[in-house]
Amino acid sequence: DQQVKQNSPSLSVQEGRISILNCDYTNSMFDYFLWYKKYPAEGPTFLISISSIKDKNEDGRFTVFLNKSAKHLSLHIVPSQPGDSAVYFCAASEVLTGGGNKLTFGTGTQLKVEL
Amino acid sequence: NAGVTQTPKFRILKIGQSMTLQCAQDMNHNYMYWYRQDPGMGLKLIYYSVGAGITDKGEVPNGYNVSRSTTEDFPLRLELAAPSQTSVYFCASRVDTSNQPQHFGDGTRLSIL
Repeated sequence: DQQVKQNSPSLSVQEGRISILNCDYTNSMFDYFLWYKKYPAEGPTFLISISSIKDKNEDGRFTVFLNKSAKHLSLHIVPSQPGDSAVYFCAASEVLTGGGNKLTFGTGTQLKVEL
Repeated sequence: NAGVTQTPKFRILKIGQSMTLQCAQDMNHNYMYWYRQDPGMGLKLIYYSVGAGITDKGEVPNGYNVSRSTTEDFPLRLELAAPSQTSVYFCASRVDTSNQPQHFGDGTRLSIL
C-alpha cells in the first residue's frame, strides 16, 4: 500500500517555463512534507519542505503547495533551468514513538528541462 | 564538513557472504537512518537510531542488523547476503529538532550474485 504517490514517472519542460511536480498521500498522520532532488550516483539532496499547518512555502525559484483536504502537494519550479534536470522525490514525515521521524518516499519523477 | 560519508560506494557479494556498510557523519546529529532503494521505487526505511546505544527497526529490517556505539557512526550489517538484498543503500542523519530534513550520503550500490 503506497502511502505517498507520484503518478508521473517523467516530465519534460522547456527552459524558462514552469515545472509542476505532483504528489498525493493517504496517511493523515504525516505532519511534514519534503521534496528531495537526486542526481545519478548521488544521494538525495533536500530542496524544500512544508509543515502540515501551512499551505505554501517559497524558496527562490521553488514553491511547495499543500492542499491538506485533498491530501495533495505540488512543487513548482519557475523558471526551469537545465540544471534542474534530475529525479524529484516527494517525502512525508511522521513522528516515531521512540523519537525521531520516519520518511515515506514516493517513487520519484524524472524532470528533464530542455533547451 | 564532509556531511554523511558512506563506504564502500560499490560492492559485489556472493550469496551467503556477509559484509558491513559503513556510515559516518560529522554534524553531531543524534538521529541516523538506513534506507534502501530498489529500481523504480522510493526509499524504504531499514533501521534507525535516535542516539548512541539506541536503535530500532524500520519498515524492512529482515536480513539486516545495526549498532550505534558512537554518535558519529551507524554501520549496517548483512549477515547472510541474498539476491533480494541487491539494492542501493542510503544512510541519512538529522538534528533532533522537529521539522528538520534528513541529510543523505551518496549511497552504496550492492549487488548479490
